[in-house]
Amino acid sequence: DAKTTQPPSMDCAEGRAANLPCNHSTISGNEYVYWYRQIHSQGPQYIIHGLKNNETNEMASLIITEDRKSSTLILPHATLRDTAVYYCIVKTGGYQKVTFGTGTKLQVIP
Amino acid sequence: EPEVTQTPSHQVTQMGQEVILRCVPISNHLYFYWYRQILGQKVEFLVSFYNNEISEKSEIFDDQFSVERPDGSNFTLKIRSTKLEDSAMYFCASRTDPLGETQYFGPGTRLLVL
Repeated sequence: DAKTTQPPSMDCAEGRAANLPCNHSTISGNEYVYWYRQIHSQGPQYIIHGLKNNETNEMASLIITEDRKSSTLILPHATLRDTAVYYCIVKTGGYQKVTFGTGTKLQVIP
Repeated sequence: EPEVTQTPSHQVTQMGQEVILRCVPISNHLYFYWYRQILGQKVEFLVSFYNNEISEKSEIFDDQFSVERPDGSNFTLKIRSTKLEDSAMYFCASRTDPLGETQYFGPGTRLLVL
C-alpha cells in the first residue's frame, strides 16, 4: 500500500469548514483513498473513500487532485464532536487490512 | 444502524492468565478482523478471518493468540498466556464482502495485564 503524509495536528473553529490535507504521491492506479477517524479511545470510524472522482456523503466531502497525488477531506461545518484523529489511508479495495498511520489530530475550538 | 459490539468493555487480568475477548460482528458480514492499539500508539492489525480460517496475520499474532468463530454470531480472540505488553485496546471489525469497501469497527475492549 502507498504511504501517506498528513500534518500531525490542526485546529478549526466550530462552525467553520475543516480541510484536512493528505499527500499520497506514490499511489498506484488501483488504490483508493480512504478516510477514517478515531474519537478519543473509541473504535475507528469510516468516513469516506474514493478512487479518482470527488465524493460526498452525509459526513464529509473528499476532493482528490487530478493526478491523484493528494487529497483533502472537508468537514463542512465542524462541531466539537468532530475533535478526533483523522487517518488518510491508501489501499486497494477488497478485504485487505487497514494500515493506520499517525493521522492528523483535529481540535475543534469553540 | 447495525453495529459491531464487543465484550467486555474492560478487562483486568494477571500476567500469565488466559483471556478471551468477544465480538459480535454485523450479522451479514463475512470478513472479520482484530486490531489492537497500545496506549498512545497506532492502531495495529492483528488478524483477518474469512470462511472459518485465518486469511492474514501480522507478526504480532504469534502462537499465544488464536481466533475462533464458535457459532454464527460470535468472533473471539484468545490470548493464552498474557504478558504485560499485551495491555492495549483491542478492536474487532467486520465487513460484508470483497466489494464492501468499508470495515466497521467495534468500540473496543481495554485489556490491562498486571
